[in-house]
Amino acid sequence: GAVVSQHPSWVICKSGTSVKIECRSLDFQATTMFWYRQFPKQSLMLMATSNEGSKATYEQGVEKDKFLINHASLTLSTLTVTSAHPEDSSFYICSATGQGVYNEQFFGPGTRLTVL
Amino acid sequence: SQQGEEDPQALSIQEGENATMNCSYKTSINNLQWYRQNSGRGLVHLILIRSNEREKHSGRLRVTLDTSKKSSSLLITASRAADTASYFCATDATGNTGKLIFGQGTTLQVKP
Repeated sequence: GAVVSQHPSWVICKSGTSVKIECRSLDFQATTMFWYRQFPKQSLMLMATSNEGSKATYEQGVEKDKFLINHASLTLSTLTVTSAHPEDSSFYICSATGQGVYNEQFFGPGTRLTVL
Repeated sequence: SQQGEEDPQALSIQEGENATMNCSYKTSINNLQWYRQNSGRGLVHLILIRSNEREKHSGRLRVTLDTSKKSSSLLITASRAADTASYFCATDATGNTGKLIFGQGTTLQVKP
C-alpha cells in the first residue's frame, strides 16, 4: 500500500515556541492531505483539509492562525503549531489521498507533541 | 458532534473468542472504513465498505453495513492477543470530498 511518513515522530518544546510537522507521501502524489489531532484516549478529530496549491480548509473551531498548513507540493504538507501552549500537546496525524482511489486515506505514523 | 458513536467503548475477551464492535453514524455516506490503532501509534486501515455493499470479508474480519439504520459492525473471529488495540470506524460522508469523520472507538483487550 501507499506510504505516508511524518517528521518528527515526537517533539518537546517550550511554551510560546513554534513547531513544524511534515507529512510526506513517499510513493504517490497526494492531491489532498488531511490533518487530525488526537488527545489521549480519544478519537481523531479532523483539523483541516489541505489541497496542493490552495489554502487549507479548516474545521469549525480550529484556529487557522494558530495551526498554519502549507501544501506546497504533491508530496509534502506541513503543519506549524504557532506559539504553542501546553493545551496543544497532542498526537497529530496526517493522511493523504491520491487520485483514482475510493477515497481511501493513507495515514502517517503520527507526531507526538509535548509543550512544556 | 461530528463523530459517530461506537459501542462498546471497551471490550475484554479471551483469546479465541469473537469480538463484535458496532458503529452508528448520522449522515448519508459514500463509504465506511474501519481502522485499528495500537496504543500511541498510527492508524492501520482494515477494510472499506461502500454504501452499496452490505457485507465484506477480509481474513478474520467481517464488516456489515446497514445504510437504512446508519450502522456498521466489525466482527473479529478467533481473536488473538495481538488483536488488542483500539478500533475506529470512519465515514466518508456524501459530498464531503473525502473527509473522514471518526467514531469514538472501541478499545479491545484480548487476554491470552
